[in-house]
Amino acid sequence: NAGVTQTPKFQVLKTGQSMTLQCAQDMNHEYMSWYRQDPGMGLRLIHYSVGAGITDQGEVPNGYNVSRSTTEDFPLRLLSAAPSQTSVYFCASRVDSSVGETQYFGPGTRLLVL
Amino acid sequence: GEDVEQSLFLSVREGDSSVINCTYTDSSSTYLYWYKQEPGAGLQLLTYIFSNMDMKQDQRLTVLLNKKDKHLSLRIADTQTGDSAIYFCAEIQIYNQGGKLIFGQGTELSVKP
Repeated sequence: NAGVTQTPKFQVLKTGQSMTLQCAQDMNHEYMSWYRQDPGMGLRLIHYSVGAGITDQGEVPNGYNVSRSTTEDFPLRLLSAAPSQTSVYFCASRVDSSVGETQYFGPGTRLLVL
Repeated sequence: GEDVEQSLFLSVREGDSSVINCTYTDSSSTYLYWYKQEPGAGLQLLTYIFSNMDMKQDQRLTVLLNKKDKHLSLRIADTQTGDSAIYFCAEIQIYNQGGKLIFGQGTELSVKP
C-alpha cells in the first residue's frame, strides 16, 4: 500500500489564482480529512468526509471547497487564493469515523501565496 | 486547537528524560493521542491511551492521564537526538457522525548532544 499520498509537495500561487491539492489513499478508508498547519497553532481541520458523496465543514472551511466522488480521492480546492492561505496542508484518512481508529497522514503540501 | 493546549518548546540533553504536557477540555474524549512530526514530514501516531486508563507504557514512552485535571503527559526516557521533533497531543471530540481529532499546537522537542 502507498498509504496516503498528496500532490504537489510544494506550490507557489499568486493572489487570486485557483488550484487543487490532491489527496489519495489506497487503504479503502471511509473517513478522510484535510488540515492546515500554521506555526504555533497546531493542526486545524478544514473539511472532512465520512464516505463517498458526503462532506462537511471543519473548524476553518472558508476559502476551501472539497468533493468526494470516490472512496480513494479527496481533493481540496482553493478557488481564489489569498496570502492567509499560505500554510502546510495535510490530508489524513482512517478506516471510518469511529472513535479509536488510527488516523494516517500524508506527507503534506507546502503552499505559498504571494 | 484552542481546546487542547501544549507548551511550544522543550529542550533536553541526550540521555535525560523528556516530559511533554498537554491539557484538554472535552471530558467525553474516549481516546487521547500523541503524534510525532519529524522535519518536513507528516504526522505519525506515536501512542494513545484510552480514557479509562491512567497510565500506558510502551518501551521508552510513558503516557500519564489525569482525567480529573484533564491533563495528559508523554514521558520519553533516555531521550536521543533522533527524538527531536514536534509532538502533538490530540483528543477525540464526538459528533453525530463519529469522532473528530482536535490537535494541540505542538511541542517542539530539541535534544542536545
